[in-house]
Amino acid sequence: DAKTTQPNSMESNEEEPVHLPCNHSTISGTDYIHWYRQLPSQGPEYVIHGLTSNVNNRMASLAIAEDRKSSTLILHRATLRDAAVYYCIPRIGTFSGAGSYQLTFGKGTKLSVIP
Amino acid sequence: NAGVTQTPKFRILKIGQSMTLQCTQDMNHNYMYWYRQDPGMGLKLIYYSVGAGITDKGEVPNGYNVSRSTTEDFPLRLELAAPSQTSVYFCASTPIGLANEQYFGPGTRLTVT
Repeated sequence: DAKTTQPNSMESNEEEPVHLPCNHSTISGTDYIHWYRQLPSQGPEYVIHGLTSNVNNRMASLAIAEDRKSSTLILHRATLRDAAVYYCIPRIGTFSGAGSYQLTFGKGTKLSVIP
Repeated sequence: NAGVTQTPKFRILKIGQSMTLQCTQDMNHNYMYWYRQDPGMGLKLIYYSVGAGITDKGEVPNGYNVSRSTTEDFPLRLELAAPSQTSVYFCASTPIGLANEQYFGPGTRLTVT
């Protein structure tokens, strides 16, 4: 499994952009990069995923380095509701057995948003 | 759709007691998972299932059992509860596909004393 490195914590002012980095230098060519977040006292929720190209959705953008060894989750305007732990998770993109869709969570980055 | 539902929300067990954590999803997803999350840590996979009648162990299966008799339900059984099983338990499901997202339930907070 590819290992990831994320900062333990980050702070942002409300309504400012936030860039959450993730290093995944051992990622394989077929691993997708998933981001999940976990709000306080809730289960994780899906944010975004990508393989090679940058991706956008209504929640965030995902910028993937050309060598795929790192990625950055971008929240364009942080709100108080974005305060959460953000997890960067490489996940296999080719089916290689019944367990291949499982997610491996690390400790993530705790994002605090300052009003 | 209710999504993934879990019961109970909270439970306190005495050492040696047993209980079943319930998980139900109404999205017709084939894959279901049980995770545990200890304080300040990420989630660890306990068991997973790829469909009715098929289950397999994850990273931390000791002390737990599962069954999957229907697509919708995936109960987690704790036998002989121990303080080390104090944790928050999350159930999740996903449809078959290469990069589909997992949908998580709200969790069950379990304390074993």
